[in-house]
Amino acid sequence: QVTLRESGPALVKPTQTLTLTCTFSGFSLSTNGMCVSWIRQPPGKALEWLARIDWDDDKYYSTSLKTRLTISKDTSKNQVVLTMTNMDPVDTATYYCARIQTTTTPRYFDSWGQGTLVTVSS
Amino acid sequence: DIQMTQSPSSVSASVGDTVTITCRASQDISSWLGWYQQKPGKAPKLLIYAASSLQSGVPSRFSGSGSGTDFTLTISSLQPEDFATYFCQQADSFPWTFGQGTKVEIK
Repeated sequence: QVTLRESGPALVKPTQTLTLTCTFSGFSLSTNGMCVSWIRQPPGKALEWLARIDWDDDKYYSTSLKTRLTISKDTSKNQVVLTMTNMDPVDTATYYCARIQTTTTPRYFDSWGQGTLVTVSS
Repeated sequence: DIQMTQSPSSVSASVGDTVTITCRASQDISSWLGWYQQKPGKAPKLLIYAASSLQSGVPSRFSGSGSGTDFTLTISSLQPEDFATYFCQQADSFPWTFGQGTKVEIK
């Protein structure tokens, strides 16, 4: 059974750096074809894809946010970490991590974490 | 970035109805289109990938069609558990983008 769980601070101040961790089980990011992405959703709004990291350590970022984002993985811990610098109130959102299996449903998110709400406020 | 436009933004329907949601891409995305269902307070769930392929475990009353720029999600014989918000996602090129969502409400 595949599970993903996001963790991190619920509240950050403007200009701070956000660090979120996705801890997963049921698959390995060292397996050919496995990828993990981060997606966010402001309250009542649409989904926004942020970043993706692949089993071979290839990384992809949102065009508008790439200067602020860093994605990394720790295969031994089954974790993916997303950092976002210079947080602003408009970054208030639920942040999800999700899996992609390029061998079965390439480029689509077939398993998701429950999400973690991050509020940016002073 | 590729813009994804869904219509309608909301639709009211009754149990047993057929509901059709459309998604239009701002440029040709071939068949790189997915559909997700999201219920309040929950993560999205993949329903359809590659425009028309049904994800494992998803009821057959869900179907997708289209290619290029115009796509459709059809829910036949709407069930109580289908009342939710539906999002399309283009996976043709980075950055991947989503539509703004269509809320299916009970009439």
